[in-house]
Amino acid sequence: KNQVEQSPQSLIILEGKNCTLQCNYTVSPFSNLRWYKQDTGRGPVSLTIMTFSENTKSNGRYTATLDADTKQSSLHITASQLSDSASYICVVSDRGRGSTLGRLYFGRGTQLTVWP
Amino acid sequence: DAGVIQSPRHEVTEMGQEVTLRCKPISGHNSLFWYRQTMMRGLELLIYFNNNVPIDDSGMPEDRFSAKMPNASFSTLKIQPSEPRDSAVYFCASSAPGQGASGELFFGEGSRLTVL
Repeated sequence: KNQVEQSPQSLIILEGKNCTLQCNYTVSPFSNLRWYKQDTGRGPVSLTIMTFSENTKSNGRYTATLDADTKQSSLHITASQLSDSASYICVVSDRGRGSTLGRLYFGRGTQLTVWP
Repeated sequence: DAGVIQSPRHEVTEMGQEVTLRCKPISGHNSLFWYRQTMMRGLELLIYFNNNVPIDDSGMPEDRFSAKMPNASFSTLKIQPSEPRDSAVYFCASSAPGQGASGELFFGEGSRLTVL
């Protein structure tokens, strides 16, 4: 069964500290993995998209890693800011089979709170 | 670009009433997705259109839900009759040609539905 599991479910850190969010998946055949940031009351916004051949991708203070062998990804946030408080959602796409287009599988998200 | 536009942003209605949610995808995008987000289940795909044609409606909960895409710039999600368990945030998303669900999704700000 295709699944995406994220940990921790929630996390509280102090402003300026670093943190790492985890994502494990069983989706196959794998197409790509994305991390989305969702602010409260807003729609998800893409942070990174990684394909099978990419193992690191950065977007400012956000760095995502991918280990396609172990089917794990992490999102590292450096020097956290109050505006980083949000839900971070891991999404994995499969390649589809035959004429079927790929599907997305969503994790439940990690709720990050940054305190001043 | 204005992004994906959804309306209404908030809807409060009574059980049994008809609810219509609206979405305008990003101009030039030819894939459109309707998602539902709840605390219990996270983001769930309801239906996916490609070139105005429904490709995957396996996520539509039951016959009370229906979706249409009469043209490339407009889609509706209708619930009739609505029930309290339909209370959720409904997101519309779109992606560029040739990418379908494997490409980057751009989400609207969502429509928060409360059924009393």
